[in-house]
Amino acid sequence: EEQLVESGGSLVLPGGSLRLSCAASGFSFSTYWMTWVRQAPGKGLEWVANIKPDGSVKAYVDSVRGRFTISRDNAKNSVYLQMYSLRAEDTAVYYCSTDISTALHYWGQGTLVTVSS
Amino acid sequence: QSALTQPASVSGSPGQSIAISCTGTSSDVGAYNYVSWYQQYPGKAPKLIIYEVSNRPSGVSNRFSGSKSGNTASLTISGLQAEDEADYYCYSYTTSRVPWMFGGGTKLTVL
Repeated sequence: EEQLVESGGSLVLPGGSLRLSCAASGFSFSTYWMTWVRQAPGKGLEWVANIKPDGSVKAYVDSVRGRFTISRDNAKNSVYLQMYSLRAEDTAVYYCSTDISTALHYWGQGTLVTVSS
Repeated sequence: QSALTQPASVSGSPGQSIAISCTGTSSDVGAYNYVSWYQQYPGKAPKLIIYEVSNRPSGVSNRFSGSKSGNTASLTISGLQAEDEADYYCYSYTTSRVPWMFGGGTKLTVL
């Protein structure tokens, strides 16, 4: 069974840093693009970043470009989101997802990031 | 870059059919057949229900169908059931610097 498990979310001070992890199992992780999506409390879904199977291409939403870095380790079947200079507006549940045939087929359960003093 | 436009809410009675629209531009929805739809219950992760405009993943009820005309995609749910009450989001590839975007989401209420 395909599974994604996120971890690393926590309460962090404004300006702080955090690294989210997403461990995949049950499918051929190294052949698919991976995506991070976030959802602020009571709000809709927002595409955050994605990364090509070999890690050579990455893209970001404008609001996080220059502050967040997406990466992956295919040997560990994992994708990461390194977040710097966190702001209150980054508070959200962060989901990792697998892009197959231009859609997000597999999703994790999400990990909550709260940026607050 | 604005999100794709969806109605904030729709409602219908059990057994009825409803449609949720997702309006974009010729740079996103209208550019490719890379529109997908997601169902989300409160406190849960989204679930893919339609991909590439009109394809259903294995296990998704055939009461869910998708279509596209020009810059607007639509999700239709027929034979509405109480369990369909959820939030629905469209998602599309874009030709802009940010390659993917979601719609603002639609809350479906089954009366």
